[in-house]
Amino acid sequence: KQEVTQIPAALSVPEGENLVLNCSFTDSAIYNLQWFRQDPGKGLTSLLLIQSSQREQTSGRLNASLDKSSGRSTLYIAASQPGDSATYLCAVGRGSTLGRLYFGRGTQLTVWP
Amino acid sequence: DAGVIQSPRHEVTEMGQEVTLRCKPISGHDYLFWYRQTMMRGLELLIYFNNNVPIDDSGMPEDRFSAKMPNASFSTLKIQPSEPRDSAVYFCASSFGGYSPLHFGNGTRLTVT
Repeated sequence: KQEVTQIPAALSVPEGENLVLNCSFTDSAIYNLQWFRQDPGKGLTSLLLIQSSQREQTSGRLNASLDKSSGRSTLYIAASQPGDSATYLCAVGRGSTLGRLYFGRGTQLTVWP
Repeated sequence: DAGVIQSPRHEVTEMGQEVTLRCKPISGHDYLFWYRQTMMRGLELLIYFNNNVPIDDSGMPEDRFSAKMPNASFSTLKIQPSEPRDSAVYFCASSFGGYSPLHFGNGTRLTVT
């Protein structure tokens, strides 16, 4: 079974810092990798999707990279803001259907003013 | 668009009782997923449907769990009888075509005493 690990489990930084969140997975035969954001008491919001043939995706201040051979992905957040405070989850695709996912436990991010 | 709607938001019940969780997907979405989130195991896929038909129920923990999708706008997840270890947040998510990002509901927090 695919195991997805996220490090660190929690991160607290001052506003303006550039951040790197890490995700690793045990089976490199993945279909895709996705990053989600979860706010307290809410569902998940999809941030970035990287197909297995791609190396990275960017959306605004977010950049996600994928290295299948080493079983790693990173989420880079530039110029962090207090509104970025949330839990960030990495998920690995189990098949071509995007909703079939193995999730990591997440990194809880706090950005203080 | 109202998004994915789940009800109830919170459910507290006693062990042995039947519990029914409800989900209304986004109109036009043809894939529906049920996930469970616990501190111990994180987010796990329970079952998913395509065009109201269950495709993969391998994540359903045991026979006490059942899910139905009688039409394109409604799905239920039923637990009978409920046990304290079923306490978790249950999420419903939908997508269009299986290749678009998931849209999650806000979840149902179930507590079984």
